[in-house]
Amino acid sequence: QSALTQPPSVSGSPGQSVTISCTGTSSDVGSYKRVSWYQQPPGTAPKVMIYEVSNRPSGVPDRFSGSKSGNTASLTISGLQSEDEADYYCSSYTSSSTYVFGTGTKVTVL
Amino acid sequence: EVQLVESGGVVVQPGGSLRLSCAASGFPFDDFAMHWVRQPPGKGLQWVSLISSDGGTTYSADSVRGRFTISRDNSKNSLYLQMNSLTTDDTALYYCAKGAYGGGAFDYWGQGTLVTVSS
Repeated sequence: QSALTQPPSVSGSPGQSVTISCTGTSSDVGSYKRVSWYQQPPGTAPKVMIYEVSNRPSGVPDRFSGSKSGNTASLTISGLQSEDEADYYCSSYTSSSTYVFGTGTKVTVL
Repeated sequence: EVQLVESGGVVVQPGGSLRLSCAASGFPFDDFAMHWVRQPPGKGLQWVSLISSDGGTTYSADSVRGRFTISRDNSKNSLYLQMNSLTTDDTALYYCAKGAYGGGAFDYWGQGTLVTVSS
């Protein structure tokens, strides 16, 4: 199972919006709602930010939103803040009943 | 409060074996699937294995299938990962993660235990 493809890095100024893409195949992202996104600041464990494509767990700011079109899922951070600086990973369920993560994206707040 | 505490990570030689444990608390352990996820130093997350709530169904990544075995003891609220035939590629921080209802996410994570495979 190959990792889902994410851009290595994205950046934006405070207050701007950034979008991270997550491209898979019809055997994973394209076929299931079980797509999720994780935030991982340096030296910490991952934290779920979006589950089932577009749902936010309680406590996650509404600046974070998720969507999906075809084989590509996206995470958008609106109103970028300094505390959003971290690595972000997508994940999807697959047709083999396994899971796969994305390659990861480093978000930098300029 | 949900807590997941991993243990068992050590330095082991190539070809060796190791058993990781994860102690869970703060939720009905026997109601949820559980996962192991690993992260090699300086690299991204890799899903390793999952086990159903009753322990009757397991799945593993191709890279570990046949070498790693996931198991659980619901009477002890504990998750395990038996790792055999270890190679240097298995060096990583190993996280225990709780599966969310419906399998849509890994909603709680431990802090990880470090496995180093080195001669």
